[in-house]
Amino acid sequence: RKEVEQDPGPFNVPEGATVAFNCTYSNSASQSFFWYRQDCRKEPKLLMSVYSSGNEDGRFTAQLNRASQYISLLIRDSKLSDSATYLCVVNKTALIFGKGTTLSVSS
Amino acid sequence: IAGITQAPTSQILAAGRRMTLRCTQDMRHNAMYWYRQDLGLGLRLIHYSNTAGTTGKGEVPDGYSVSRANTDDFPLTLASAVPSQTSVYFCASSAGSGTGDEQFFGPGTRLTVL
Repeated sequence: RKEVEQDPGPFNVPEGATVAFNCTYSNSASQSFFWYRQDCRKEPKLLMSVYSSGNEDGRFTAQLNRASQYISLLIRDSKLSDSATYLCVVNKTALIFGKGTTLSVSS
Repeated sequence: IAGITQAPTSQILAAGRRMTLRCTQDMRHNAMYWYRQDLGLGLRLIHYSNTAGTTGKGEVPDGYSVSRANTDDFPLTLASAVPSQTSVYFCASSAGSGTGDEQFFGPGTRLTVL
């Protein structure tokens, strides 16, 4: 089992749609969890950290289930500008990146 | 404030040549990292440095070396480039080396080894 696995994608959705990305991780000792966003041919940038209690930042909601070793990202009311690749990232002693899920939002 | 800069932006290199990718940050971050990103494989850690004067190996260190003579600079050297080192290389830094520290990435260097 790969250390961090994500939905293969791509996700093609219309503006205004709600879309959810899922991620599982294999190392139960992982301590920190993040979602990074990467635009085409650009560097990754932190979207949000993921906390055990779940956390929300505007249209974005992240959830963590340590028992199931599962992380999710929910995007509500999708915008064209949300089109990007979303990377699930887990940290034990170093950041481990998932391969990413590509989202394309169309008008 | 520039954040993290990398040079060159892109490079085509003949196999067997030596190449140094440069990375400089102006945030006074203690920790710095080098990753490579390949299609279908995601980002993988090559080397890291938790503080000036120290370095460590990541997941894919073979064929690469690093040095950290000061806080700001973290060059990555390919002693004798091979085609399998064709990739996009990202340098990153974080304030600390703790598990919760956000990493900030540079714009990347696209390297092609022929």
